[in-house]
Amino acid sequence: DGGITQSPKYLFRKEGQNVTLSCEQNLNHDAMYWYRQDPGQGLRLIYYSQIVNDFQKGDIAEGYSVSREKKESFPLTVTSAQKNPTAFYLCASSMFRGLKRTGELFFGEGSRLTVL
Amino acid sequence: AQKITQTQPGMFVQEKEAVTLDCTYDTSDPSYGLFWYKQPSSGEMIFLIYQGSYDQQNATEGRYSLNFQKARKSANLVISASQLGDSAMYFCAMREGSGAQKLVFGQGTRLTINP
Repeated sequence: DGGITQSPKYLFRKEGQNVTLSCEQNLNHDAMYWYRQDPGQGLRLIYYSQIVNDFQKGDIAEGYSVSREKKESFPLTVTSAQKNPTAFYLCASSMFRGLKRTGELFFGEGSRLTVL
Repeated sequence: AQKITQTQPGMFVQEKEAVTLDCTYDTSDPSYGLFWYKQPSSGEMIFLIYQGSYDQQNATEGRYSLNFQKARKSANLVISASQLGDSAMYFCAMREGSGAQKLVFGQGTRLTINP
């Protein structure tokens, strides 16, 4: 079945360590996104990418990095520069809007990162 | 300023009743889209319904309908005949303009359906 796969589902990190969250999609979507969700809060955009080898900062990009070397993959690295990395991270993808009127985002099941 | 405001942190509704979840938005862009997502306790985000700013009619999808009042900048979600499985967090989101599909989300409303 087509969808978005995020791994790992749960991740524990010591302070000062970088960690990479994986996001893979087989929906043939052009655009991919990373959102962060804190308890009881809405989602905030970290980074997004509309095409391969190109990405833009979202509202809270500091302390994070991404790459988009393949259409299917958009990994997120949480660096030691991120002061409060404990959160739920959601990856999403979307079709180019010209092909679909609504252009809704399709989400993965999320990765929960805890800093010890 | 908040672009998406959901004023109800939590709502409790009896099973089979209808429920309205409030959402107001703020934008000066004439082209925008409004979305509602459901987030069960498992964490995934499930797309429910979409309303475009130029759509003449309110969107409907099964038991979900969107009460779109453009002049008031509100896009309330109406769930008819609520079910126990409707218990979840509900998020309103907006996309501005015709470029990237960046969505801005509200803080969410936790809906609890009582048997």
